[in-house]
Amino acid sequence: AQSVTQLGSHVSVSEGALVLLRCNYSSSVPPYLFWYVQYPNQGLQLLLKYTTGATLVKGINGFEAEFKKSETSFHLTKPSAHMSDAAEYFCAVSPQGGRRALTFGSGTRLQVQP
Amino acid sequence: DAGVTQSPTHLIKTRGQQVTLRCSPKSGHDTVSWYQQALGQGPQFIFQYYEEEERQRGNFPDRFSGHQYPNYSSELNVNALLLGDSALYLCASSLANPSNAPLHFGNGTRLTVT
Repeated sequence: AQSVTQLGSHVSVSEGALVLLRCNYSSSVPPYLFWYVQYPNQGLQLLLKYTTGATLVKGINGFEAEFKKSETSFHLTKPSAHMSDAAEYFCAVSPQGGRRALTFGSGTRLQVQP
Repeated sequence: DAGVTQSPTHLIKTRGQQVTLRCSPKSGHDTVSWYQQALGQGPQFIFQYYEEEERQRGNFPDRFSGHQYPNYSSELNVNALLLGDSALYLCASSLANPSNAPLHFGNGTRLTVT
């Protein structure tokens, strides 16, 4: 069984500050890892994913995440927050191979203060 | 290139009624998955269809059923609606291969059960 824990249901940062959203996973097999963003009244948009290879993954809109197997973590970062980054962020995990059912965390709402 | 489209966008039903939600996958995609997102929660996997068959199923009762048509479009049916079925229902499409092909989500159908 797989599970995802997102620490902090709400995170507030100032515009221009570092964004750090935390994600830890539990999986009995090597997983694929994802970060999705959801704007109000919209579906989910893929920010980035880790499947294999380089553990530092770069995504859209300046976000990146690092897969740390020893810590079972996949934290999302962005060096400088922008007002448009305010949204709900979801970390997700799936087993490698096959057709993947995603297991999502409960989400972190990011607020960006001017 | 149209992405994943879902209809209707909003729906209000009464307890005990039945509902059908529809999804057209992104052009070229052959696999459709359905997720339920309760308010303030992450999406939960309902089931996945490929080649007109249910391939995977999450922890949802038999009241939730689906169908995939030869043109890859899909329906989600929920019978005997409960108040707890009120949620945003998200459809996601992907290619069956490669296994790390990303999911593309629609904007969802907001179901309210009164």
